Amino acid sequence: DAGVTQSPTHLIKTRGQQVTLRCSPKSGHDTVSWYQQALGQGPQFIFQYYEEEERQRGNFPDRFSGHQFPNYSSELNVNALLLGDSALYLCASSLRGPFSGNTIYFGEGSWLTVV
Amino acid sequence: GENVEQHPSTLSVQEGDSAVIKCTYSDSASNYFPWYKQELGKGPQLIIDIRSNVGEKKDQRIAVTLNKTAKHFSLHITETQPEDSAVYFCAANLLYSSASKIIFGSGTRLSIRP
Repeated sequence: DAGVTQSPTHLIKTRGQQVTLRCSPKSGHDTVSWYQQALGQGPQFIFQYYEEEERQRGNFPDRFSGHQFPNYSSELNVNALLLGDSALYLCASSLRGPFSGNTIYFGEGSWLTVV
Repeated sequence: GENVEQHPSTLSVQEGDSAVIKCTYSDSASNYFPWYKQELGKGPQLIIDIRSNVGEKKDQRIAVTLNKTAKHFSLHITETQPEDSAVYFCAANLLYSSASKIIFGSGTRLSIRP
């Protein structure tokens, strides 16, 4: 049973560029959430996708956008990259996301460095 | 407000002793409280969770307690081992009309002294 898988694992981008990160949820899960984790801090919620729609969003600018596909996989896009976007980006999956109390599982993350 | 506070930020215990990490949350509607362990260079791993209809849950050397009245919950690790060294995060869910999200504490770096 595959867990949450993310790609790429590491990448380096230049300020102003755009990046796309990808996530496949755990088998049987239909909801994907994205988190940003800066060094030494806890994960910060970016947004959640369920039924191919953004259901909830954290305090992140519009430069952060996402998409969920019919097979439940998801992408996170960040435009006009800033140095401060350097972080570990985590994808988490769960079942029936809009309903509370469902266990979420994290992938290993994508390390983004902006130079 | 949306807030989960966690302490201590660092904790060092002798191997074999117990470790306790405490968290408080602000939203009285929260009803799900997971704990994650994160090792260097890896994603957070769920180690135990508790829902608001119970006050305590145990899984081998790990236990979590929840006090809904006081809005705090704690992680207890007994008989600590070197492999318990990691960063631990508490979390709580926030409920909205059509969604929920998990917010995290700031983490506790646990070190086990041999």
